[in-house]
Amino acid sequence: SAVISQKPSRDICQRGTSLTIQCQVDSQVTMMFWYRQQPGQSLTLIATANQGSEATYESGFVIDKFPISRPNLTFSTLTVSNMSPEDSSIYLCSVQLLAGEDTQYFGPGTRLTVL
Amino acid sequence: AQSVTQLDSQVPVFEEAPVELRCNYSSSVSVYLFWYVQYPNQGLQLLLKYLSGSTLVKGINGFEAEFNKSQTSFHLRKPSVHISDTAEYFCAVRGSGGSYIPTFGRGTSLIVHP
Repeated sequence: SAVISQKPSRDICQRGTSLTIQCQVDSQVTMMFWYRQQPGQSLTLIATANQGSEATYESGFVIDKFPISRPNLTFSTLTVSNMSPEDSSIYLCSVQLLAGEDTQYFGPGTRLTVL
Repeated sequence: AQSVTQLDSQVPVFEEAPVELRCNYSSSVSVYLFWYVQYPNQGLQLLLKYLSGSTLVKGINGFEAEFNKSQTSFHLRKPSVHISDTAEYFCAVRGSGGSYIPTFGRGTSLIVHP
């Protein structure tokens, strides 16, 4: 398994500002993902964070709004840009130790409220 | 592509009673199936998974699930629940080959009353 930490655990932000969320894993992993969990809903995949190259975004998500970095095999950041109240969600970092592995592990999440 | 349906958004139950959380899926390929639990203000934790072999899968905290291919179901059960089982439960499915990204259901909120 993997131990995943996220910072911050929660934040309250003003409309129009940006927030960067950090995800740190205690071991090298092949795959890292970012999910959004809106209130009362399931998880929606935002993007796959690729080391050393641009992230792969799912339909409905764009790099200008959710820029992602992954400088190495243990760390990634997700920025939520120009925030609006609709961005209020839990943002979850997830990893697979090896590509194609059957199980994904999740971080504790970052609870974001935008006023 | 795969899809997951969790038929119950909320399941209230009394402590020590049995519980079943229902999950149905659709897929055109062989699948892996998962149940995750999310306790309040925490991330998701893997409860159990079905990859192949025995259709009855046992997980942590006394939970088990049965894979039924003909009914395309993967229902989660526990014979006697505790207050501490109160949480959100997510069923997920992914293809056993090819795409490695799971699709999640909308979740079932299990509420255990004393």
